[in-house]
Amino acid sequence: QKEVEQNSGPLSVPEGAIASLNCTYSDRGSQSFFWYRQYSGKSPELIMFIYSNGDKEDGRFTAQLNKASQYVSLLIRDSQPSDSATYLCARGTHGSGNTGKLIFGQGTTLQVKP
Amino acid sequence: DGGITQSPKYLFRKEGQNVTLSCEQNLNHDAMYWYRQDPGQGLRLIYYSQIVNDFQKGDIAEGYSVSREKKESFPLTVTSAQKNPTAFYLCASSPVTGQPREKLFFGSGTQLSVL
Repeated sequence: QKEVEQNSGPLSVPEGAIASLNCTYSDRGSQSFFWYRQYSGKSPELIMFIYSNGDKEDGRFTAQLNKASQYVSLLIRDSQPSDSATYLCARGTHGSGNTGKLIFGQGTTLQVKP
Repeated sequence: DGGITQSPKYLFRKEGQNVTLSCEQNLNHDAMYWYRQDPGQGLRLIYYSQIVNDFQKGDIAEGYSVSREKKESFPLTVTSAQKNPTAFYLCASSPVTGQPREKLFFGSGTQLSVL
């Protein structure tokens, strides 16, 4: 079982729709979760991070965390063609000496069609 | 402007050759990281360093080496022992203090290919 698992997609949604990206993880002790967006040939950029169960909203983006079920999701409202990219889910590693060390999923490719 | 600079953008390696990828940051971050990304895959950690003159192996360190002689610099050498080096290499840094500590700042990456 992969530590962080995502459906590689592609996930295709029409412009203006809600895109829902999902991620599951195997380590129950995981404390922090991150969503990065990566355009083709570019480096990842941080979109959202979440520590607590529930929802966290930032503009058109909402991150959802359910630690009991070990999943984290990213919702993108009013999807735009410019949102077309690969979305990487990552979890932080807990414990001393692991500052900044992230475990990434393989990413989900999102295609927003005009 | 503060940021992370990786060079070169593209690099070609011949059989049996060692090559070094440069990573410099002026963000005053203590921690630096090297990740490898294969096509259609996520990022895998090669090495990381939290302070000068100290570094730890990540999940796929075999065939790679690093040094951290200065806070600003964390070069990665891909040795001839790495038999499948073709990949996109990403350098990142993060502050040790503050929240979230795992907020990584990435360089623009180096695409390494084998001739």
